[in-house]
Amino acid sequence: EAGVTQFPSHSVIEKGQTVTLRCDPISGHDNLYWYRRVMGKEIKFLLHFVKESKQDESGMPNNRFLAERTGGTYSTLKVQPAELEDSGVYFCASSRAGTGGNEQFFGPGTRLTVL
Amino acid sequence: GEDVEQSLFLSVREGDSSVINCTYTDSSSTYLYWYKQEPGAGLQLLTYIFSNMDMKQDQRLTVLLNKKDKHLSLRIADTQTGDSAIYFCAEILSGAGSYQLTFGKGTKLSVIP
Repeated sequence: EAGVTQFPSHSVIEKGQTVTLRCDPISGHDNLYWYRRVMGKEIKFLLHFVKESKQDESGMPNNRFLAERTGGTYSTLKVQPAELEDSGVYFCASSRAGTGGNEQFFGPGTRLTVL
Repeated sequence: GEDVEQSLFLSVREGDSSVINCTYTDSSSTYLYWYKQEPGAGLQLLTYIFSNMDMKQDQRLTVLLNKKDKHLSLRIADTQTGDSAIYFCAEILSGAGSYQLTFGKGTKLSVIP
């Protein structure tokens, strides 16, 4: 089966601009997650969708970040307006519903650079 | 709050065993994971262990869990140059419907030929 895909792989924008990241989970996976790794720190959880609903968005840093998953398939993460501290690698992951071990399969990440 | 700690670097000779250590703080963690990240690639799930187990073996990989000390280790037998990567320890935070992973900073394993 195809893995989790993310687009773009890299994005370079200026402070104040808007960027939209896209994630396509593994087909049939109801759970979709966003994480990010900023400046060599730990990978941090952002939010968790179950189908199209936000199950847990406790990791979203502020209201400049908006995640959507219309139709319960792919998801987008919009940053508007972008700030310097938003630079980092944004990972998406997906898992099946009801998976006991909740094995989360990760995409390759989008490297975001805000200048 | 929760915290997962790992040493940042480990260097071993090809053919030797590697042991990567991790400590965590959430005593109610249900699952603990090891992920591998090769250069330019995403995170690959290597193995995981349920908290009621103390050991899990999968080919060259052995995971040991000491729940009393909140200590997790990953042993790679007969380490190869292809094992060079960053290894992340992670735990699932308990909570109704919450499956967020908490990661350590990662241990960079360098294998010397």
